[in-house]
Amino acid sequence: GNSVTQMEGPVTLSEEAFLTINCTYTATGYPSLFWYVQYPGEGLQLLLKATKADDKGSNKGFEATYRKETTSFHLEKGSVQVSDSAVYFCALSYMTTDSWGKLQFGAGTQVVVTP
Amino acid sequence: ETGVTQSPTHLIKTRGQQVTLRCSSQSGHNTVSWYQQALGQGPQFIFQYYREEENGRGNFPPRFSGLQFPNYSSELNVNALELDDSALYLCASSLESLRDRGDYGYTFGSGTRLTVV
Repeated sequence: GNSVTQMEGPVTLSEEAFLTINCTYTATGYPSLFWYVQYPGEGLQLLLKATKADDKGSNKGFEATYRKETTSFHLEKGSVQVSDSAVYFCALSYMTTDSWGKLQFGAGTQVVVTP
Repeated sequence: ETGVTQSPTHLIKTRGQQVTLRCSSQSGHNTVSWYQQALGQGPQFIFQYYREEENGRGNFPPRFSGLQFPNYSSELNVNALELDDSALYLCASSLESLRDRGDYGYTFGSGTRLTVV
């Protein structure tokens, strides 16, 4: 079946440090890949996405590249801010014969950025 | 452009009761999905509706049911509540077409926090 594995948190960083959150997936076919962010007490916000191999998604300084050969979609940001403190979820969107667009999420990685 | 609105934001119910959660999808979106997020975990897919018909279901028992209305708003109903049903319930909407299925990111609401005591 489909699955998403993320590195465990919490990840604690100082402001302006480099952030990497690893994400690997198992899927049949060619899923779309997403990163969502969840701030305390809120729902999920789409951060970026990639729909095919070698696509790079980017938004707000975050980037992730769809690597089919390594089945990975690692999230990176060159210089984090305190406001980036949140839980980050990697997800894939997969289709079956009778439906589409179901999201399979990883367990989430909490990121804490200190001043 | 309005986002996804869920109501209520918080709810406390007693074991065995029934609950209805509501979701107003983003304007122009025709697909709505519901997810259950237990504390400290990633969201789990419950089911999805496309143009008022169920379009896929996750590994949840039949006491979890739903509806999508002609204006694409949606309800999630849970009967015979159990303590393990305590979670954040997220609604997400998207604009899908038969040609570009699943390529769009979903817009999530802020969720309904359900506590079963």
